[in-house]
Amino acid sequence: GAVVSQHPSRVICKSGTSVKIECRSLDFQATTMFWYRQFPKKSLMLMATSNEGSKATYEQGVEKDKFLINHASLTLSTLTVTSAHPEDSSFYICSARGPSGGNYGYTFGSGTRLTVV
Amino acid sequence: AQSVTQPDIHITVSEGASLELRCNYSYGATPYLFWYVQSPGQGLQLLLKYFSGDTLVQGIKGFEAEFKRSQSSFNLRKPSVHWSDAAEYFCAVTTGSSTLGRLYFGRGTQLTVWP
Repeated sequence: GAVVSQHPSRVICKSGTSVKIECRSLDFQATTMFWYRQFPKKSLMLMATSNEGSKATYEQGVEKDKFLINHASLTLSTLTVTSAHPEDSSFYICSARGPSGGNYGYTFGSGTRLTVV
Repeated sequence: AQSVTQPDIHITVSEGASLELRCNYSYGATPYLFWYVQSPGQGLQLLLKYFSGDTLVQGIKGFEAEFKRSQSSFNLRKPSVHWSDAAEYFCAVTTGSSTLGRLYFGRGTQLTVWP
């Protein structure tokens, strides 16, 4: 089945530094990648949607300069949290959609726990 | 606007008991519906999905769900719960087109299973 590999699974960084999270589709081409943020005991909040080769579309209230998304290839998308602060600490999850949406549906990465100290 | 309602924040059942998790959606067009399960610190795993056809959908781990258009519902059921089913369950909906749009999630239902 379709697999999305997300790394790192956990990361601790100092306030003011940047952190990059990678999501790779291992056995299919991900034409669209969705990036979510999840707060403790809460549902998933969509941050942005990116299509391969295009600029990401950010949801209202999400700072595009802080959360940089790159989707340069059909198998790799990255989320970079720039100048991270403690309030950016959260669980981040990517979800890839293949070209045949009906067949592939959505495949989720295993998530990244970001802690900013 | 699209929305998904999971009215139960937390459900507790005994192992071996039956389970039903409720999901109602609000969407003008034909919905594509999903149920996902999330273990602590993990991503989401697809349990089942409904796109069209038979309104009773079978999924993995013995789960099933029934789409009822008249009630705008897509409730998840399992006849006999196992302790390993304890997790967070999310219902989600998207557009019913050849190219799937973004998912809209419910707030989730936390399932606790007593031994």
